Amino acid sequence: DGGITQSPKYLFRKEGQNVTLSCEQNLNHDAMYWYRQDPGQGLRLIYYSQIVNDFQKGDIAEGYSVSREKKESFPLTVTSAQKNPTAFYLCASSRDETGELFFGEGSRLTVL
Amino acid sequence: QKEVEQNSGPLSVPEGAIASLNCTYSDRGSQSFFWYRQYSGKSPELIMSIYSNGDKEDGRFTAQLNKASQYVSLLIRDSQPSDSATYLCAVMALDSWGKLQFGAGTQVVVTP
Repeated sequence: DGGITQSPKYLFRKEGQNVTLSCEQNLNHDAMYWYRQDPGQGLRLIYYSQIVNDFQKGDIAEGYSVSREKKESFPLTVTSAQKNPTAFYLCASSRDETGELFFGEGSRLTVL
Repeated sequence: QKEVEQNSGPLSVPEGAIASLNCTYSDRGSQSFFWYRQYSGKSPELIMSIYSNGDKEDGRFTAQLNKASQYVSLLIRDSQPSDSATYLCAVMALDSWGKLQFGAGTQVVVTP
């Protein structure tokens, strides 16, 4: 079945550590996105990529980094520079520019 | 600051009744509008998209768009307990390539 796989689903991190969240899709979609969701807030865009080897900052990119070496993969690294990293992270993809996004199951990061 | 506003709820709806959800947006350049459903602890899933003024119906769901008033709504007819979820309104400006601005969501609770 086609879809988006995020891992890990739950992750605990100590302050000062970098962590990488995995996102893999087999939908053959060109565009991929990372959103962050905090309780009671809407999703906020961290990074997006329209094509392999190219990506753009979203609204809250500070403290995060990404790569897009393969069409299927768009990993997100949460660095120690991110001051408040505890959140629900959602990876999404889209077939085109319409905004119809398909989401993975999410990764819940907790900083201890 | 582009904003998408929704009443956070909870909106309590008797089973079989109509649930009416509202969303306003600030960016007059918005061209595409979406409703995503998010069950507690899960990722969002697209249920409706609308691109032109008027109504769009899909099963028990009807989306209504009024660009002049910067207003989009979602009606859920014959509400079922399985409709209990948070409904996220999202908008996208022209040429924004999947970069959505999300509202914080309206929680709907359907009571038997």
